[in-house]
Amino acid sequence: DTGVSQDPRHKITKRGQNVTFRCDPISEHNRLYWYRQTLGQGPEFLTYFQNEAQLEKSRLLSDRFSAERPKGSFSTLEIQRTEQGDSAMYLCASSDQKLRDRESYEQYFGPGTRLTVT
Amino acid sequence: AQSVSQHNHHVILSEAASLELGCNYSYGGTVNLFWYVQYPGQHLQLLLKYFSGDPLVKGIKGFEAEFIKSKFSFNLRKPSVQWSDTAEYFCAVNAKWRGNTGKLIFGQGTTLQVKP
Repeated sequence: DTGVSQDPRHKITKRGQNVTFRCDPISEHNRLYWYRQTLGQGPEFLTYFQNEAQLEKSRLLSDRFSAERPKGSFSTLEIQRTEQGDSAMYLCASSDQKLRDRESYEQYFGPGTRLTVT
Repeated sequence: AQSVSQHNHHVILSEAASLELGCNYSYGGTVNLFWYVQYPGQHLQLLLKYFSGDPLVKGIKGFEAEFIKSKFSFNLRKPSVQWSDTAEYFCAVNAKWRGNTGKLIFGQGTTLQVKP
């Protein structure tokens, strides 16, 4: 499977614990996005990487959240001191900005990591 | 702030019925428009997209959407739905501006249930 992969698929944690999620984008896609989706809502943008540079962060991304993309390949999203309100599906998507046309805006999504904070 | 509104939260249809799902966005500039679908247990998949040109775009599985700029709308249609179209449908917008990161603004989604 050459699509976007995410690990783990499910995570249950106790309030106050730290969690880290991983996203592996489609090979050679230089754009990577993180979104959060809660029940009954559409995905909400969290942050964006172009290669290894984090170029945009949403106001939803509090100080407890940090994301990295070392070497411009996989990315990690860490949530420190989790709260019950962090329970959601965390989605990763990638796209290829190197394309010289509008197709570069087509994002491919991974299966998501479902986080439950108890 | 940009926003996307999907009017129907839950739609129930019988097989062979026609489908139209509404989507409106708020942004005064140029946009890229998308419809994504999420089948039960699967990840988000692109159904169709509009970047420019013919405002009537065709996607996979017989879906089409029409961009009406004056109404800020991008409604999804299918003349005859099948049971396998049961899924959640999301409209999404990417606002075009210099330095566009490509981030998507999604609507809240519409759950479509097709009865056999």
